[in-house]
Amino acid sequence: QKEVEQDPGPLSVPEGAIVSLNCTYSNSAFQYFMWYRQYSRKGPELLMYTYSSGNKEDGRFTAQVDKSSKYISLFIRDSQPSDSATYLCAMSGPGNTGKLIFGQGTTLQVKP
Amino acid sequence: DVKVTQSSRYLVKRTGEKVFLECVQDMDHENMFWYRQDPGLGLRLIYFSYDVKMKEKGDIPEGYSVSREKKERFSLILESASTNQTSMYLCASRTGIAAYFGSGTRLTVV
Repeated sequence: QKEVEQDPGPLSVPEGAIVSLNCTYSNSAFQYFMWYRQYSRKGPELLMYTYSSGNKEDGRFTAQVDKSSKYISLFIRDSQPSDSATYLCAMSGPGNTGKLIFGQGTTLQVKP
Repeated sequence: DVKVTQSSRYLVKRTGEKVFLECVQDMDHENMFWYRQDPGLGLRLIYFSYDVKMKEKGDIPEGYSVSREKKERFSLILESASTNQTSMYLCASRTGIAAYFGSGTRLTVV
C-alpha cells in the first residue's frame, strides 16, 4: 500500500465550479500537509500547507486536514481556466525538514 | 528569487551508459531531493540528502546513486541506464515547509 493515495483523475469542470481534491494517507506520523500545483512542463510549486489538523484558507483555496480519518482535501471556489493544472498532495513528518512524500497528482481542467 | 537549476532540460542516452543529472540550488538549503515523475504514478522519491555527504534512500533507489560534495549541488547518477529509467526527473531543495523544484530533466534511454 502506498503511503499517500490520490485519485489521478482527470477531472474536468466548468468555469465557476467548486472543485474538491482529496488524498488519503497511512502514516500517522505525518505532521505537515501540503498542496502543490504543477503546470505543464514546469516543476511543482507550493500552493498551501497545513500543520496537523484543521483548515486553512487562502483566497479561493481552502485546505482541510482530518488526521483522525487520515484524509486531506483542497477546495477551489469559483474555479478559473488558469487553475487548470496537476495538483499534488504532499506530506512530511515528524519534523518539517525530512522526507517529502507525494500523491500521484490529480489533473484538473477548468473549461471556459 | 529562489532558484533550483537542473543542468539539462532534455537528455537522450543509450542503454548501459552512465548518466549524470546535476542540480544546483542557490538558497543554502540543507535538504535536497531527487524524484522521478511518471504518468499515473506521481512523484516518487529516489534519494534525498539532509546535509553535505549525507544521503538516504527514498522509495525507488535501485539503479541510482547520488553525490553531494557541496551544499548547493546534488547529483543523481544512473550507473547503467536502462529503458525503464526513461522518465521526468525532478530535483528539489527544502528548508522549512516549502520545497522548491527545478523545471525537470526529461530523460529518454534508447
